[in-house]
Amino acid sequence: GAGVSQSPSNKVTEKGKDVELRCDPISGHTALYWYRQSLGQGLEFLIYFQGNSAPDKSGLPSDRFSAERTGGSVSTLTIQRTQQEDSAVYLCASSPGPPGNTIYFGEGSWLTVV
Amino acid sequence: TQLLEQSPQFLSIQEGENLTVYCNSSSVFSSLQWYRQEPGEGPVLLVTVVTGGEVKKLKRLTFQFGDARKDSSLHITAAQPGDTGLYLCAGVSGTYKYIFGTGTRLKVLA
Repeated sequence: GAGVSQSPSNKVTEKGKDVELRCDPISGHTALYWYRQSLGQGLEFLIYFQGNSAPDKSGLPSDRFSAERTGGSVSTLTIQRTQQEDSAVYLCASSPGPPGNTIYFGEGSWLTVV
Repeated sequence: TQLLEQSPQFLSIQEGENLTVYCNSSSVFSSLQWYRQEPGEGPVLLVTVVTGGEVKKLKRLTFQFGDARKDSSLHITAAQPGDTGLYLCAGVSGTYKYIFGTGTRLKVLA
C-alpha cells in the first residue's frame, strides 16, 4: 500500500479480554516498530522487527504483551488480559533500512479498556 | 535508560511570534530527528540532523543539533496557526533504536 496501515483504528474492550492490533507496513520495508502513546504524550518504544525477527523486545511492558511478524510484512501486537492502564494509542511504523532513514507511521490504533 | 526531555511541555502563542523548543538528553545520539504530529495521525518527519553543530532550515523552521550530539533545538519564526501540533524529537541510538522525547504541544492562536 501507499502508507502504513493499522487496524482497527479504534477498539473498546472490556478489562480482561484479549486484543489484537494489526500493522501492514509499506511494501519492501524491512524494519517495523511498535510504539505506545498515552494521551498527547511522547512515544514509548515497545518492540522492533528486522524482517521476521525481533532483536529487541525490551520495551514490552509485561508478559501480557507479545508481537509477531510474518513474511517480513504484516505484524500483530497482542495484549492478553487487558487492563485499564493499557488504554493508549498504539502506533506502528516502518522503515526501509538503517536508522537515520525516515520512519513512516500509521495513524494508530486507539485502544480503550473499560 | 535513555531519555529525551523536551521543554516546554506546552506552549500557546499568538500568530507572528517566535518560539524555541528544546530537546535534551544525557546520552549521545548518532542522529536526531524532529517530527510533528496532528490529532488522529501518526508523527510525520520534519528533519534529520546528523553532525554535531549542524543547523538545518526548513522555511520558517530552524533545527540545530548540539555540538556534543546530546541535545537539539527547534526554532519557529513568525508562527502561524498551521504550525499547531505536537512536536517530538527522536534520538537515533545504535543500529535501529529511535528514542522519542516527551513532546511539546504547540498552539498558535490567530
